[in-house]
Amino acid sequence: EPEVTQTPSHQVTQMGQEVILRCVPISNHLYFYWYRQILGQKVEFLVSFYNNEISEKSEIFDDQFSVERPDGSNFTLKIRSTKLEDSAMYFCASSDSALGLAGITDTQYFGPGTRLTVL
Amino acid sequence: AQTVTQSQPEMSVQEAETVTLSCTYDTSESNYYLFWYKQPPSRQMILVIRQEAYKQQNATENRFSVNFQKAAKSFSLKISDSQLGDTAMYFCAFITPFIQGAQKLVFGQGTRLTINP
Repeated sequence: EPEVTQTPSHQVTQMGQEVILRCVPISNHLYFYWYRQILGQKVEFLVSFYNNEISEKSEIFDDQFSVERPDGSNFTLKIRSTKLEDSAMYFCASSDSALGLAGITDTQYFGPGTRLTVL
Repeated sequence: AQTVTQSQPEMSVQEAETVTLSCTYDTSESNYYLFWYKQPPSRQMILVIRQEAYKQQNATENRFSVNFQKAAKSFSLKISDSQLGDTAMYFCAFITPFIQGAQKLVFGQGTRLTINP
């Protein structure tokens, strides 16, 4: 069964450093997402991406964050200058559609997450 | 603003019992989807079940079923014959489709479910 994969599983970095989190969405999916979950809190939407551009972003997704689909398979989240409060689990998700039409799956499938620790 | 509320932070039942997790949501939209995701200690998010708002019939997936009350904006998850492997955090989530673009899931705070042997 196809699945979303994420690397690395755990990333430790120093405050102020840049990190890139990588995701390989399910191969025939067209819509990609990043969510984050601070320990003990609920999952929060960061950004959605379709047709090589951002579709929507939350207030969390400020200028320190960027996303990219550098090739036909990877989807990356870059944090330019990490802060202590960026420590969280970051989940990538993908879906085959987002149109809300009857008969379309639209379900978002999540990767296993990358645990980011900023020291 | 669209919100999802899970009023039970923690629940605990004995193995083989039936348990129901509550979820309410708030939206002015008429077309939306609802989901329950499970997050075991590994912290991976696993889809449990999904419900389309336009469907009157409640979704079922093996031991998992939902009670979808659209007028009350309520979406509860029933787990029958609970198993030790059902121990996890359960998140209710809601999404509204757009004409163009992509959707964002709005999650509740989660219910920590423990199945005791």
